[in-house]
Amino acid sequence: DVVLTQTPVAQPVTLGDQASISCRSSQSLVHSNGNTYLEWYLQKPGQSPQLLIYKVSNRFSGVPDRFIGSGSGSDFTLKISRVEPEDLGVYYCFQATHDPFTFGSGTKLEIK
Amino acid sequence: EVQLVESGGGLVQPGRSLKLSCLASGFTFSNYGMNWIRQAPGKGLEWVASISSSSSYIYYADTVKGRFTISRDNAKNTLYLQMTSLRSEDTALYYCARRTVALYYWGQGVMVTVSS
Repeated sequence: DVVLTQTPVAQPVTLGDQASISCRSSQSLVHSNGNTYLEWYLQKPGQSPQLLIYKVSNRFSGVPDRFIGSGSGSDFTLKISRVEPEDLGVYYCFQATHDPFTFGSGTKLEIK
Repeated sequence: EVQLVESGGGLVQPGRSLKLSCLASGFTFSNYGMNWIRQAPGKGLEWVASISSSSSYIYYADTVKGRFTISRDNAKNTLYLQMTSLRSEDTALYYCARRTVALYYWGQGVMVTVSS
């Protein structure tokens, strides 16, 4: 099974600063159809997860351009510029290239 | 408005069975793949199972393969998860989610507690 390793486990940030989260896969996430099904989700306290980024770098409808996904192969990054209070919560990467699909263990974005 | 409403959770003894439902509205259910994802108390997300729009393709996590069955009734706009041989480690909040190229929409989840 594909293992997604997220770092850091917790990311203390000052509001207005940038945060960066890494997601490394145990194998390439390039599908045989050429797409890379690496996604990012945010779970705010007490809420269901919400989609932020799909296929590595595509922002979901309504997601601010402060959220930038990048990477390729097995190495991916989510950058959040100018962190705002509503960005706090746990971020998960997720791969849907290989069966079974898998989530990373999560990164908690918290106030420093 | 897309809505996904899970039901059927509760307290169940180890070894017993339970069937979850997810009622979909606000979109053409038969056009979309659907997934179940769970979250144990205080833990991260775990993908459980996936089913394509016509039920042609079905996938499971290793932890539930052979015990859980995902299915759907497109006429009733409903997704199901039949869970058998339940274990304490299956205790979790279970979410259904609609998938196109990502898990675009999620329900609020239904709690399943496996305990004697």
